[in-house]
Parts: sequence; C-alpha cells; structure tokens
Amino acid sequence: DSGVTQTPKHLITATGQRVTLRCSPRSGDLSVYWYQQSLDQGLQFLIQYYNGEERAKGNILERFSAQQFPDLHSELNLSSLELGDSALYFCASSVEKSFYGYTFGSGTRLTVV
Amino acid sequence: AQTVTQSQPEMSVQEAETVTLSCTYDTSENNYYLFWYKQPPSRQMILVIRQEAYKQQNATENRFSVNFQKAAKSFSLKISDSQLGDTAMYFCAPSSGNTPLVFGKGTRLSVIA
Repeated sequence: DSGVTQTPKHLITATGQRVTLRCSPRSGDLSVYWYQQSLDQGLQFLIQYYNGEERAKGNILERFSAQQFPDLHSELNLSSLELGDSALYFCASSVEKSFYGYTFGSGTRLTVV
Repeated sequence: AQTVTQSQPEMSVQEAETVTLSCTYDTSENNYYLFWYKQPPSRQMILVIRQEAYKQQNATENRFSVNFQKAAKSFSLKISDSQLGDTAMYFCAPSSGNTPLVFGKGTRLSVIA
C-alpha cells in the first residue's frame, strides 16, 4: 500500500457520460497530480493541485476538470466521454515540490464503450 | 519545457545478467532531479532511483545504479543481477522540483529465465 488511495479501481461507462475519479493523497502530502496513461503509452500530465489551489496544468481537455478539497482529497471529473478517453488514470502525491519524486496510487482503469 | 527520450522501446536480458536502459533529456534548468520509475504488470508506479543533478556522484540503490552525464544530458539505468521480478516498463523522468514530472515513453524490459 503506497498510501495514495484511488477509487474506483475500475470503471466502465458509455460514451457521452460523466464520471468522477477520486484520490486521497498520502498523509502529509499537500500536492496532488493527475496523469493519464493510454494503452502502452507513457504518462501524460493532466493537472496539479497544491493545498487546494491549482498549481500547474498540462494537456488536460476542456471536458476534464479537477479540484482539491480542504481535506486534501482530489477529484478528477471527466465529461462527454469518448472512446479515446479509455485509459489508466493515476493520481500521485508529494509534500510540495517534486524533489523526492511522487508516490502513486494504483490507478483507475476507465473503459468507455 | 523538459523533454525526455527513451530510445529503446523494448529490451530483454537473461536472468542474473546486467542490462542498461538509456534516457536523454532536455532542460533549461541548472538544478533539477532525475527519476527512474518501474511499472510492473500490476501497473503500479514504483520509484526505483533518484539523482540530484548538482551531485556528481551517481546514485545507487542495491542492484540499481545510474550513469548520470550532466553535460550530455544523459541518465541511464543499470540493473545488475537481473531478476524475473525486474520485468516491467521503466520510465525516466526529470523535474526541476517546481514543475511536474515529465515521463518518457518507457522501455519495456523482459527478464528471461
């Protein structure tokens, strides 16, 4: 157990639908990062939150949004889902900056049918 | 912006042998950090080793070591005494500390008995 909790582990939904992925960071970590990993691809950075505030944004689609709550858990909302959104979505956390790397959750496998 | 190139999409090695995975990167930062992550078939992202760019000494973690060439912007990973459990995707990732980790496309390593 890495200390970063992601739910659900698996999600199957239809095109056009909306889903919410949840992440609880490791205790003491204030930064949360979301990454997307499509089949046999590298990890693409989506967005970072630090202590409730958006800190950095990557190649995140307008259909996607995220937030970090006062208890530091984070949610990634994906709407108007398309087949191409099928991927493994990772959440990772760190203390503040990435000097020591990140601790990753086990990911949420999203399948859009 | 940081970019990462892992030029070996796939590699294989016999059990107990040594293998080296290559990584080159581009960054405008003077001080930064470099990471190797391992992703076994379970899909969990696991930190293997970390290098601080201002340190000339190469990092080692048990059977894992790096060859860091700052001028050449090269950061290779050497795995000694390869074990079946080393079979995984390996990702190289640089970070300035202030920016999110940027991952390469990965090298798929197979350890053969």
